[in-house]
Amino acid sequence: LAKTTQPISMDSYEGQEVNITCSHNNIATNDYITWYQQFPSQGPRFIIQGYKTKVTNEVASLFIPADRKSSTLSLPRVSLSDTAVYYCLVPRGSARQLTFGSGTQLTVLP
Amino acid sequence: SQTIHQWPATLVQPVGSPLSLECTVEGTSNPNLYWYRQAAGRGLQLLFYSVGIGQISSEVPQNLSASRPQDRQFILSSKKLLLSDSGFYLCAWSFGRGREKLFFGSGTQLSVL
Repeated sequence: LAKTTQPISMDSYEGQEVNITCSHNNIATNDYITWYQQFPSQGPRFIIQGYKTKVTNEVASLFIPADRKSSTLSLPRVSLSDTAVYYCLVPRGSARQLTFGSGTQLTVLP
Repeated sequence: SQTIHQWPATLVQPVGSPLSLECTVEGTSNPNLYWYRQAAGRGLQLLFYSVGIGQISSEVPQNLSASRPQDRQFILSSKKLLLSDSGFYLCAWSFGRGREKLFFGSGTQLSVL
């Protein structure tokens, strides 16, 4: 069953690029990897989803190596408002349980 | 477009009292539905999920139960609340057809005193 592991916290400065890596060694063949952002007292918000190689949208990029055992969320030129908890999510089990890992607290400093 | 409604936004309940939180989804049919709980400063804990009417799977043995009486309605209940039931409760839905993407409600902050 796929389980995700992420760094607990990261600090960055405004304007820098931030890369958050998630490991998911037991990801199933057909599963996608999805990243969410959560602010305090709010539900997580979808950021990006991918299956392999690279996916880019207006807010982030997602890099997935060929073995798909990890993925890296890349946030270009972060601002103070990007301070949040970031989760990667991989479905667990045939019943499609969507269980979150511990997430990464990103703190952007001025 | 799809929307998810969750209420109430905040709730203060005494220990031993019952609980009923309701969540409804509009604009889609046969969604997968989820209840999560988040204790203060902690991650999201999956409590229940449902792939159809009357089909409930529980992730963690606890003082809570869930029901899905209609396709787009998901209810979280308790007969007697415990102090440890305090937390931020989130309902979510997904299309459930391979590329699961969760859409969350605004959450209920429950304080059990």
